[in-house]
Amino acid sequence: GAVVSQHPSRVICKSGTSVKIECRSLDFQATTMFWYRQFPKKSLMLMATSNEGSKATYEQGVEKDKFLINHASLTLSTLTVTSAHPEDSSFYICSASPNRETQYFGPGTRLLVL
Amino acid sequence: DQQVKQNSPSLSVQEGRISILNCDYTNSMFDYFLWYKKYPAEGPTFLISISSIKDKNEDGRFTVFLNKSAKHLSLHIVPSQPGDSAVYFCAASGGTDSWGKLQFGAGTQVVVTP
Repeated sequence: GAVVSQHPSRVICKSGTSVKIECRSLDFQATTMFWYRQFPKKSLMLMATSNEGSKATYEQGVEKDKFLINHASLTLSTLTVTSAHPEDSSFYICSASPNRETQYFGPGTRLLVL
Repeated sequence: DQQVKQNSPSLSVQEGRISILNCDYTNSMFDYFLWYKKYPAEGPTFLISISSIKDKNEDGRFTVFLNKSAKHLSLHIVPSQPGDSAVYFCAASGGTDSWGKLQFGAGTQVVVTP
């Protein structure tokens, strides 16, 4: 079946540093990928839509300068959390769709900012 | 505002019996509905989906029913197995400029007891 991978799975960083998270669709091409964030015991919140070859589209309330998204190819999107602060600690998940009826999620990245 | 609602935060069911998870939505523009299973610190696993032109879709032990007039869908799992214990999310997408953008419900924690 379709697989979406994320790297790294866990990252701990110091406040003020930047962290890059990669999302790859392994067996299908994805012109569009999505980045979600999940707070403890909460549902998934869509942060932004990553578009191959163009700028990402951010949801209301999401700082585009804080969360930089680059969709470098049809199988790779990256999310960079810039100047990370403790409140950015969260579980970040990406997803990609080969069609309208299915959407596959990566395993997620646990970010802890000290 | 929450456009996808899962009003039951938890469900306990005996092994071998049927699990019925419910989901309501408010946006009449939604035209695809997806169910996911999620374990802690992992990405959601796609289970089954249904488009708005159908009222039922079945895949193995999983069946999703859609009642468009009531803006309600349900996921039936039969027979329930201990490995089904997880959080189940209902998600929906649709409308203009919304390809692949999912709105998630709050999730239902399912516990399957022996």
